Amino acid sequence: QKEVEQDPGPLSVPEGAIVSLNCTYSNSAFQYFMWYRQYSRKGPELLMYTYSSGNKEDGRFTAQVDKSSKYISLFIRDSQPSDSATYLCAMKRPTGNQFYFGTGTSLTVIP
Amino acid sequence: NAGVTQTPKFQVLKTGQSMTLQCAQDMNHEYMSWYRQDPGMGLRLIHYSVGAGITDQGEVPNGYNVSRSTTEDFPLRLLSAAPSQTSVYFCASRPKQGANTEAFFGQGTRLTVV
Repeated sequence: QKEVEQDPGPLSVPEGAIVSLNCTYSNSAFQYFMWYRQYSRKGPELLMYTYSSGNKEDGRFTAQVDKSSKYISLFIRDSQPSDSATYLCAMKRPTGNQFYFGTGTSLTVIP
Repeated sequence: NAGVTQTPKFQVLKTGQSMTLQCAQDMNHEYMSWYRQDPGMGLRLIHYSVGAGITDQGEVPNGYNVSRSTTEDFPLRLLSAAPSQTSVYFCASRPKQGANTEAFFGQGTRLTVV
């Protein structure tokens, strides 16, 4: 079983839709949670990071962590064609230097 | 600020050849890492460094060497290239104060071993 599971999609939505992206994990020791956006043939770009449980909002993006369910989400409001990319989740324990990445979800926002 | 710079962007190697992937950052970050990205596998850690002169193995270190003689540079060496090393390689850096978030990635090196 992988440490982090992420549905690869692809996900296709109309412009203006609310997008929900999700990851599940198996290790209850994870405390740090990250979301990245990766455009085709580019490096990952850090979008959001949260510590432990709760919500964090930044503009059109909201990150949620539910540690009891071992489930994290990224919501994108008023989605734009420029949001079309692959979204990666990642997690880390408090100790050590290992980050655990999901395989990514491909998102296309149709104008 | 250039951020994290990787060279080359593309490379084709023959089996058995060696080469060095370059990574440089201009943010004075203590931590630097090398990842490979393969379809369906996610990013996997190859080697990392927590400062000049200090390196350690990650999840998939076999076939790769690293060294860190300066804060800025963290080259990745392929000793004897194999087709299984065909992948996209990313270098990342982060400051010690933000060590729990992998913050900055380079643009990647796309390597094909034939």
